[in-house]
Amino acid sequence: DAGVIQSPRHEVTEMGQEVTLRCKPISGHDYLFWYRQTMMRGLELLIYFNNNVPIDDSGMPEDRFSAKMPNASFSTLKIQPSEPRDSAVYFCASSLGPTPATYNEQFFGPGTRLTVL
Amino acid sequence: GQQVMQIPQYQHVQEGEDFTTYCNSSTTLSNIQWYKQRPGGHPVFLIQLVKSGEVKKQKRLTFQFGEAKKNSSLHITATQTTDVGTYFCAVPTASKLTFGTGTRLQVTL
Repeated sequence: DAGVIQSPRHEVTEMGQEVTLRCKPISGHDYLFWYRQTMMRGLELLIYFNNNVPIDDSGMPEDRFSAKMPNASFSTLKIQPSEPRDSAVYFCASSLGPTPATYNEQFFGPGTRLTVL
Repeated sequence: GQQVMQIPQYQHVQEGEDFTTYCNSSTTLSNIQWYKQRPGGHPVFLIQLVKSGEVKKQKRLTFQFGEAKKNSSLHITATQTTDVGTYFCAVPTASKLTFGTGTRLQVTL
């Protein structure tokens, strides 16, 4: 398996532009997570899906952020309009899902480094 | 929400020295996971601990889960330059993980 795939790997855009980040989870994984990582705030969970359904989006910063998972093999995270404070590395991760008393490991993609000028 | 504190935030060691990072939770945990992130890389799963007092080893890495299941540690014996990176603990909250603040390890020759 190729692992979790993310695109693009790097994105440089200007303030006000729309940004779309893409993720393909590992085949067969029921859970998909979007994280944001910055020096100041560390690794933050933005939203996660179970079987393509958004379960918890409490980490989404504001209405400028939206995420979709139209099918089991694809998800997008969109920022519109983008702002300089959105500059960060965005990771997508997937897992088989929790089991009683244990928890499945998460497999992370390589991340998208976003710079908003 | 779930509070997970990791200490230290940063440690710089000479190659061959030992290193330990600690993870503390405000609540009793069902299990805990550890991840490593190399500079410029992504978090990679290392191990999961489930049982009270559990100790697991991976070569030079020793992971321990506290008796009360509220804390955990990762100890590296005789560090090498390949150990450089940030080590995160992660605890389950419902169906998601809450990651600790991480400990960044720097190893110099």
